[in-house]
Amino acid sequence: EDQVTQSPEALRLQEGESSSLNCSYTVSGLRGLFWYRQDPGKGPEFLFTLYSAGEEKEKERLKATLTKKESFLHITAPKPEDSATYLCAVQALDRGSTLGRLYFGRGTQLTVWP
Amino acid sequence: GAGVSQSPRYKVAKRGQDVALRCDPISGHVSLFWYQQALGQGPEFLTYFQNEAQLDKSGLPSDRFFAERPEGSVSTLKIQRTQQEDSAVYLCASSLDRAGGYTFGSGTRLTVV
Repeated sequence: EDQVTQSPEALRLQEGESSSLNCSYTVSGLRGLFWYRQDPGKGPEFLFTLYSAGEEKEKERLKATLTKKESFLHITAPKPEDSATYLCAVQALDRGSTLGRLYFGRGTQLTVWP
Repeated sequence: GAGVSQSPRYKVAKRGQDVALRCDPISGHVSLFWYQQALGQGPEFLTYFQNEAQLDKSGLPSDRFFAERPEGSVSTLKIQRTQQEDSAVYLCASSLDRAGGYTFGSGTRLTVV
């Protein structure tokens, strides 16, 4: 069964204190791994897609990396506006009509305080 | 429109009442998904449409849940005889294809009392 586990569940950082969020996954054939950001009362906002081990993507203070078993979201010198829940999701290789379905983890709630 | 629009934003229903949740996807987006997000959890897949065809409804929790997209644009998720366990945020997402990177709406928060 496809499964996504994120850790830690919650993370508090002081502004400027870099850290990483982890997403480990088990899927029978990975088509893509996705990172989303979710603010309270909002829907998830797309950040990155990673397709193969060794791939990296960057956006401002965020960098996502992928191995065969896990992905990391590195946050460099975070600011209070980076506070949000970060969700990881996987998409499996072709399964006919279920292609496209995302399997989400429970998320990491990040708080950055000044 | 510029984004995925969902209405209503909040819905309070008495147990046993029927509800209908609406999703207006981005114009031209072929793929449309419904997800259910319980408090403190990640979104859980409910159903998927490609244009007007419902290709996957394996995530619908019971036969009280029904979704449609008759003209391949607006979609409605209907829940009959609501139960307390149906309380959650219902998210709609759309995309040009099934490749991922979907755009989500802000969701409808359903509270069953």
